[in-house]
Order: sequence, then C-alpha cells, then structure tokens
Amino acid sequence: KQEVTQIPAALSVPEGENLVLNCSFTDSAIYNLQWFRQDPGKGLTSLLLIQSSQREQTSGRLNASLDKSSGRSTLYIAASQPGDSATYLCAVKGGLDSSYKLIFGSGTRLLVRP
Amino acid sequence: EAQVTQNPRYLITVTGKKLTVTCSQNMNHEYMSWYRQDPGLGLRQIYYSMNVEVTDKGDVPEGYKVSRKEKRNFPLILESPSPNQTSLYFCASSLGTGGREKLFFGSGTQLSVL
Repeated sequence: KQEVTQIPAALSVPEGENLVLNCSFTDSAIYNLQWFRQDPGKGLTSLLLIQSSQREQTSGRLNASLDKSSGRSTLYIAASQPGDSATYLCAVKGGLDSSYKLIFGSGTRLLVRP
Repeated sequence: EAQVTQNPRYLITVTGKKLTVTCSQNMNHEYMSWYRQDPGLGLRQIYYSMNVEVTDKGDVPEGYKVSRKEKRNFPLILESPSPNQTSLYFCASSLGTGGREKLFFGSGTQLSVL
C-alpha cells in the first residue's frame, strides 16, 4: 500500500531564506506527484505537477524534483517571503495497488517570519 | 472563472439526518473526487468518478454515497450522518486521469455532526 511521508511536519524560517521541503513515498510505480499549498480554512491549490517521466518542474521561485527510484521528491522555495506561509502537501497518484487514487502526505506547515 | 464550487461552506447537523453536499465544476472535467481532511490523518479519498455514471470507492467510503448523473456535478450524500463524520470535506476535479492533469479543489465544507 502506497504511503507518503513529509518531513519536517513544521518549519519556521526568517524571510529571505531558501528552503527545502521533503516528500517520500514507498511505491515507485507512480503516474505523477503533485505539490499543493493549503492556507488555513481554505482549499488546496496545485503548485507543481511532475509526471513520472520527468525529473523536475519549476514555477517562479518554486522548484520540485522527483527521484522515483529512491521514492523522494523535494520542493525548493527560493528567497522565502511571509506570503509563503502555509501548509504544503505532496500527493502521489498511482502505485501498484492504488490505480487512480491520490495519496497525500500529512503536510509541512511553513512559517516565514518577517 | 474556472472553479470547483462546493456548498454549503459550513454545515451543522444532528445524528441520522440525511444531508447532501453539492459539488460542481465548470471546466468540463471528467475526473471528480471527494476527500475528507482530519487532524493527524491528512486527506483521505472517499469516492471518485472517472466520468458520468462511473464511480468507485476510495479509502474511506463507509457511510457515504455519491452519484454522477451529469459531468459537472458530483454530490456527496450522507444517508445517516454520525459524529465520526465530523470533518472538513473537499471536492476536486481534473481533466482526466492520466499523468499530466492537475487537480483543482473546492474551498471545502466544514461539517459538524452532533
């Protein structure tokens, strides 16, 4: 059964710092991996989607990488800003017994201090 | 504006009183899904639908029903709600089920069952 783990559970950094969020998954037979942002009391917004054949995706100050063989993904945020404060979740689609299901990690709660 | 719309935003009800949470998307998406989010348990999939009249169970389907009579709508039905169904519910949709499609989320429905 596919399991997704995110470390750390919470992170507090000063404004301007570059940071890395980690996501690991147990079954490498995935279709894709997505990174989402969730603000308190709000829905999830898709930030980046990496297909299984890709190694990374970039959007502005965000860069996500995927290493299927090791079951890992990272989300790199450059020059962090207070507006980046939110919970970041990764989710994988697929896995040998998961078909089209999307399995989420528990998230990393990020606080960027001014 | 492309969006997934859920209603109601907040709902307080009593045990056993049937309720429906509506979900509608205006993007002509084939895939729709329901999730519940609970502290410490993350996001878990309840049901999903690959297209009209095609639905399947997610990881936590007990106590829920869904229907997909039209492409744009995917209501979640609780025939006899119980307190353990108190949760934050999200509807989501994507264009298809391949590896490229991002998932779009509604704003959520906070349900309390007394």
